[in-house]
Amino acid sequence: GQNIDQPTEMTATEGAIVQINCTYQTSGFNGLFWYQQHAGEAPTFLSYNVLDGLEEKGRFSSFLSRSKGYSYLLLKELQMKDSASYLCAVRDSNYQLIWGAGTKLIIKP
Amino acid sequence: IAGITQAPTSQILAAGRRMTLRCTQDMRHNAMYWYRQDLGLGLRLIHYSNTAGTTGKGEVPDGYSVSRANTDDFPLTLASAVPSQTSVYFCASSGGEYNEQFFGPGTRLTVL
Repeated sequence: GQNIDQPTEMTATEGAIVQINCTYQTSGFNGLFWYQQHAGEAPTFLSYNVLDGLEEKGRFSSFLSRSKGYSYLLLKELQMKDSASYLCAVRDSNYQLIWGAGTKLIIKP
Repeated sequence: IAGITQAPTSQILAAGRRMTLRCTQDMRHNAMYWYRQDLGLGLRLIHYSNTAGTTGKGEVPDGYSVSRANTDDFPLTLASAVPSQTSVYFCASSGGEYNEQFFGPGTRLTVL
């Protein structure tokens, strides 16, 4: 079966750095996405990785290792507005997205 | 319209009633999707459409039907609602640099 695992919840301090991990087992791989979802709102696209390595976009970076079936999202200089759920999704061999359950990130002052 | 709109925003429905959730996009994306999101579970694909005139079943299609008469609209119908269909429903379309998915604001549906 297809499976994506992420921690259910993480807590971090404003101004700090946090890493959210995602491991996956899917039938085929055509890219990995990270989305941000604030409570009561729709998911919004953050980042995309299809090749191994680090993609940096401002305070957010995403890393992929295809051989390990592993990705992480790194958030730097945390702000209170970063409190949200972060969703990992893999595009499989049918070009459909398989979604993790999401990681709820709580930022404390 | 900018992006994807969904209607209604929320709805309380009696079990056994028929309900259509509406979704409209103005980005001219070919592919569209319907998901449900339940607490503790990831987004689960109900139905999808790769282009106007075609539809396909996702992971949890039972009890739902869709149509795709044109590029912009992708309604989701619950023929006879049951309490287990209580959920938040998101419509999405895909396009952009990575063919990423863009989501509508969601419909919160409660079936009693």
